[in-house]
Amino acid sequence: AQSVTQLGSHVSVSEGALVLLRCNYSSSVPPYLFWYVQYPNQGLQLLLKYTSAATLVKGINGFEAEFKKSETSFHLTKPSAHMSDAAEYFCAVQKSTGNQFYFGTGTSLTVIP
Amino acid sequence: NAGVTQTPKFQVLKTGQSMTLQCAQDMNHEYMSWYRQDPGMGLRLIHYSVGAGITDQGEVPNGYNVSRSTTEDFPLRLLSAAPSQTSVYFCASSSPARLSYTFGSGTRLTVV
Repeated sequence: AQSVTQLGSHVSVSEGALVLLRCNYSSSVPPYLFWYVQYPNQGLQLLLKYTSAATLVKGINGFEAEFKKSETSFHLTKPSAHMSDAAEYFCAVQKSTGNQFYFGTGTSLTVIP
Repeated sequence: NAGVTQTPKFQVLKTGQSMTLQCAQDMNHEYMSWYRQDPGMGLRLIHYSVGAGITDQGEVPNGYNVSRSTTEDFPLRLLSAAPSQTSVYFCASSSPARLSYTFGSGTRLTVV
């Protein structure tokens, strides 16, 4: 079964510091991978997705993620945190065929002024 | 361009009551799904549908029913609400070509 593991349910960074949110997947074949963001009392919005093209994927709001097959990882980064980045972030994996998504348990990002 | 619309946004039920959470999308997406979100557990798939007339169970289907009579609508029914069903419910849709989900804004359900 496909699954994702997000290391760290809570991450705090200072404004302007590097953001690193970790995601590892388990799959026998490289799947499609996604990062979603959820702001308080809202639904999930797509940040970026990996679909077997370039391994470094750029998303919205300055976020990017790198697919590393050897490490089965898809960590999310942003060079400089902004207060508006405070939210819950979910990593998700999808089979290369079919539409069923599997979500991680989420990482809550706090940005300290 | 409404996307995915969920109603109601908030609901309080008494144990044993039934209700239907509504979900509608206007993007002609074949695939629709229902998730529940609980603290520390992420999103868990309840039921999904790959097209009108076709539904299937996800990870946590017990206590919930769905039907898909049209492409646009995918209601979730709670037959006899239990406190364990207190959660935030999200409906999502996608088409295979887009390879991503569009989420509704959620329904916050409390069962007392």
